[in-house]
This record gives sequence, C-alpha cells and structure tokens, in this order.
Amino acid sequence: LAKTTQPISMDSYEGQEVNITCSHNNIATNDYITWYQQFPSQGPRFIIQGYKTKVTNEVASLFIPADRKSSTLSLPRVSLSDTAVYYCLVGPYGNNRLAFGKGNQVVVIP
Amino acid sequence: NAGVTQTPKFQVLKTGQSMTLQCAQDMNHEYMSWYRQDPGMGLRLIHYSVGAGITDQGEVPNGYNVSRSTTEDFPLRLLSAAPSQTSVYFCASRNFGTPSMGNEKLFFGSGTQLSVL
Repeated sequence: LAKTTQPISMDSYEGQEVNITCSHNNIATNDYITWYQQFPSQGPRFIIQGYKTKVTNEVASLFIPADRKSSTLSLPRVSLSDTAVYYCLVGPYGNNRLAFGKGNQVVVIP
Repeated sequence: NAGVTQTPKFQVLKTGQSMTLQCAQDMNHEYMSWYRQDPGMGLRLIHYSVGAGITDQGEVPNGYNVSRSTTEDFPLRLLSAAPSQTSVYFCASRNFGTPSMGNEKLFFGSGTQLSVL
C-alpha cells in the first residue's frame, strides 16, 4: 500500500486560502487519493477524492500533478471552524485496510 | 438516517474487566470496521468485516474480539481490559461501489472514549 507523508501541523489566518500537501511517491496505477477531515471529538469525515488533475466540490479542491506523486488539498477562505486534522489516504478500489496516517493539524488563527 | 451510531460515548474500566463497544449503522453498508486513535498516532485499524459472518484482523487486533451476526451491527469486545487499551475508538462503515468510483467513502461514528485504570 502506498505510504503518505504530510506535514505535522500548520497555521493559517482566517480568510486565507490554505493549501495542504501530501507526498505519495510510490502510488500505484489503480490508487485513488482521498482526503478526510477530523474535528476535535469527532470521527473523520470524507472531504474529496481524485485520481488525476483537478477535482472540486463545495468544500475543497484537490490538485494532482501528472506524475501523481503528490497532491494538494486547497481550502478557500478558511474560517476558525476549519481548524481540524486533515488526512491524506492513498489506495485502490476495494481496499479493506484503509490506513490513516497521523494527518496534518491545521489551526486557523483569527 | 442516523448513520453510524456508537455507544457508549464514555467508559471507564478497571484492569481485567470486560466490555463491549457497540456500533450500529442504518445505511445497509456491507463493510464495517473499528479503529483506535491515540495521541500522535493517527487512526489504526483493529478489525473489519465485509459482511455478516465475515471478519478479519487489522493492524492492531490483539486484545479485541469482533463478530458480525447482522449487517447493521458490529460490536467490539474487550475480553480483559488493559491500560494500553485506553484510547478513543471509532467505528466506520461503507458500501461497496464500483472500480470507477475509486476508494469507497467511509462514514464514521462519533467515537467512544475509553479509559482503563
């Protein structure tokens, strides 16, 4: 299974765009890239998933370069409520052993 | 729909006691799993099930037991609690999609905070 590497933590000011990176150098051809968000005292919540190029939904955008060895989750104009841990996961369809790393703690500052 | 429901939300045990963490989902999901989350460790998979009567071990299964008698329920049993099992436990479920849909989306419960003294 592809291993992911994320920064441990980052701060951002309210109203700014936040870009959260994830490295997955040994991603396989049939792997997808999925991001989850976890607020304090809650379970993780699915944010977005992609295979290549760019994916956008009402919450975030996901940018994946052509070599797919990294990905960037972009949160537009963050608010204090976006303070959370963000997990990047890589795996194929039907992966029954989905692995969550330590994630990236994002703190939004007023 | 209630989604994934975990009970209890908090529990304190003494070393050696046994208990069952309950997990139920009302989305008719075939796949269910248990994770534990410790400070600085991320989430680690304990056990999972791909359907009634089918279970398998995850990354950290020792000290835990599971069974899946119905699609809706996936209880996690601690047979003899140890302080090392102090953690927050999350149950998750998902359906099986199609390969073109990629990684199927996991739905998590709100967790059970367990302390073993």
